[in-house]
Amino acid sequence: EAGVTQSPTHLIKTRGQQATLRCSPISGHTSVYWYQQALGLGLQFLLWYDEGEERNRGNFPPRFSGRQFPNYSSELNVNALELEDSALYLCASSLGVSEQFFGPGTRLTVL
Amino acid sequence: AQSVTQLGSHVSVSEGALVLLRCNYSSSVPPYLFWYVQYPNQGLQLLLKYTSAATLVKGINGFEAEFKKSETSFHLTKPSAHMSDAAEYFCAVSEGNNDMRFGAGTRLTVKP
Repeated sequence: EAGVTQSPTHLIKTRGQQATLRCSPISGHTSVYWYQQALGLGLQFLLWYDEGEERNRGNFPPRFSGRQFPNYSSELNVNALELEDSALYLCASSLGVSEQFFGPGTRLTVL
Repeated sequence: AQSVTQLGSHVSVSEGALVLLRCNYSSSVPPYLFWYVQYPNQGLQLLLKYTSAATLVKGINGFEAEFKKSETSFHLTKPSAHMSDAAEYFCAVSEGNNDMRFGAGTRLTVKP
């Protein structure tokens, strides 16, 4: 069974640009979660999608947004990139309220 | 809301020694508790989970954790550390919903 996949592996952008990160959940999982892992800050919850709807978001500005598609895959968009957005972005999926399964992450570097 | 505190951001042990990583939680309802491991530049991998069954939970790679309600703890242990155990470990708590809270992580170093 394929795990959670994320693309791209690495992404380099400059300040002010937009970044789009993609996630495909485990087959059959309907919930997708996004986390930011910046150096020294642990995992910060960004967004939770379930059945195509945004169910919850963490304490991040509106320039962090996303969506979930009918096939349950998801995109995370970060607009007007700032230097401090440089981080590892992790996607996880779950079926209902079970444990979350994580993808390998996308390393975003903002120059 | 639920929360997790991991005591010690860095733990160093010798190869073959006991590994003990501490986690205390706060929850208003019986919690679901998890330990994840993260190797460099990778995502998180589930080590083990507690979901109100046996209080001693065995996971992968020889790790286990014991749920102690009286101490609100869920410490992770392994009898004998291996070099390959060097990684970052995260404790997490959920109240049976989709809101999972993670601790700040503990970096384990294993000395030869």
